[in-house]
Amino acid sequence: QSVLTQPPSLSAAPGQKVTISCSGGSSNIGNNYVSWYQQLPGTAPKLLIYENNKRPSGIPDRFSGSKSGTSATLDITGLQTGDEADYYCGTWDFSLSGGVFGGGTKLTVL
Amino acid sequence: QVHLQESGPGLVKPSETLSLTCSVSGGSINSHYWSWLRQPPGKGLEWIGYIYFSGSTSYNPSLKSRVTISVDTSKSQFSLKMNSMSAADTAVYYCARESNFAFDPWGQGTLVIVSS
Repeated sequence: QSVLTQPPSLSAAPGQKVTISCSGGSSNIGNNYVSWYQQLPGTAPKLLIYENNKRPSGIPDRFSGSKSGTSATLDITGLQTGDEADYYCGTWDFSLSGGVFGGGTKLTVL
Repeated sequence: QVHLQESGPGLVKPSETLSLTCSVSGGSINSHYWSWLRQPPGKGLEWIGYIYFSGSTSYNPSLKSRVTISVDTSKSQFSLKMNSMSAADTAVYYCARESNFAFDPWGQGTLVIVSS
């Protein structure tokens, strides 16, 4: 059971928008930065969003992040078949004194 | 561009100690935090711990009793030791650079199987 809660799976059509949620609490998301990762099959995770809503260089602006209270979201617009991947949110948890991740969301682009 | 590469045995016997090394190239190991993470087959990510280039560390409380992370700045390497390995520790182990709990870049990962 992950500390951060994500939907296990989502699907959407090419060109559409999808929102992946990440729910936590005051000891983690509520008081810390959230990061998001994309993991294509058989590869290492790649940083998509850091400090809640910042994109590393090279990440398209189709990917955007936000945080409100104890939840965070990753929006992906203009879905492409190449966006099919697992997506993870992560943050620090003061109560646990450690880093925590969501269980991951498998995105299918139909 | 910073590049990370994990190295170490792919097979460890139960109860033995895992030793992995992460080599950092294309940038300085100084003034950064460096982390180890793992991912059991078909499962999600787990943070193991981090080390600052100066040597200060922080570990996942659930693994703290079994884990040691060290750094060798002269070799631009940092290492993971995990003792009392069991089948539950079978996973792909990743090293990564960390800043405000954002990990980038990552190494390609190394699969460690615990089996006799």
